[in-house]
Amino acid sequence: DGGITQSPKYLFRKEGQNVTLSCEQNLNHDAMYWYRQDPGQGLRLIYYSQIVNDFQKGDIAEGYSVSREKKESFPLTVTSAQKNPTAFYLCASSMRNQPQHFGDGTRLSIL
Amino acid sequence: AQSVTQLGSHVSVSEGALVLLRCNYSSSVPPYLFWYVQYPNQGLQLLLKYTSAATLVKGINGFEAEFKKSETSFHLTKPSAHMSDAAEYFCAVSDHITGGFKTIFGAGTRLFVKA
Repeated sequence: DGGITQSPKYLFRKEGQNVTLSCEQNLNHDAMYWYRQDPGQGLRLIYYSQIVNDFQKGDIAEGYSVSREKKESFPLTVTSAQKNPTAFYLCASSMRNQPQHFGDGTRLSIL
Repeated sequence: AQSVTQLGSHVSVSEGALVLLRCNYSSSVPPYLFWYVQYPNQGLQLLLKYTSAATLVKGINGFEAEFKKSETSFHLTKPSAHMSDAAEYFCAVSDHITGGFKTIFGAGTRLFVKA
């Protein structure tokens, strides 16, 4: 079945540590996205990529980094510069003017 | 700039009652509009989409939404609520200005269904 796979489902970060969240899609979609979801705040866009080897900052990119070396993969690194990383992270993909398909999310917590 | 406003962060209905979740949008060009549903600890699932065809859009699980350009609204309805409809619902908009990729999401409305 085609879809988006996010891993791990739960992740814990120590102070000063970088962590990487994985997102893989087999839908052959051009674009991929990372969102952060906090209670009562909906979805906020972190980064998005419309094509391989290119990506753009979203509304809350500070403290995060991404890469898009392959069409299928769009990993997100939460760096130590992100002071409040505890949240639910969602990855999505889409074609132009089409609805986004979402993974099941990664919940990141601070130890 | 595009924006989406969902009226009411929480809506409570009785099982069997009408569900009405409100969404108003702002867009300078004809928009693409979507409703998504999210169950706890899961990603978002598409309920329905409006892409300039029929103004009344039917989706999954008995939901439908009507695009009203004069009111800039895209409210979601379901004639009879079921316990399994309890979830969070997001309205979203995208358009050609953003290259057809970037989507703006509303803050969400949590639906509670009482037995």
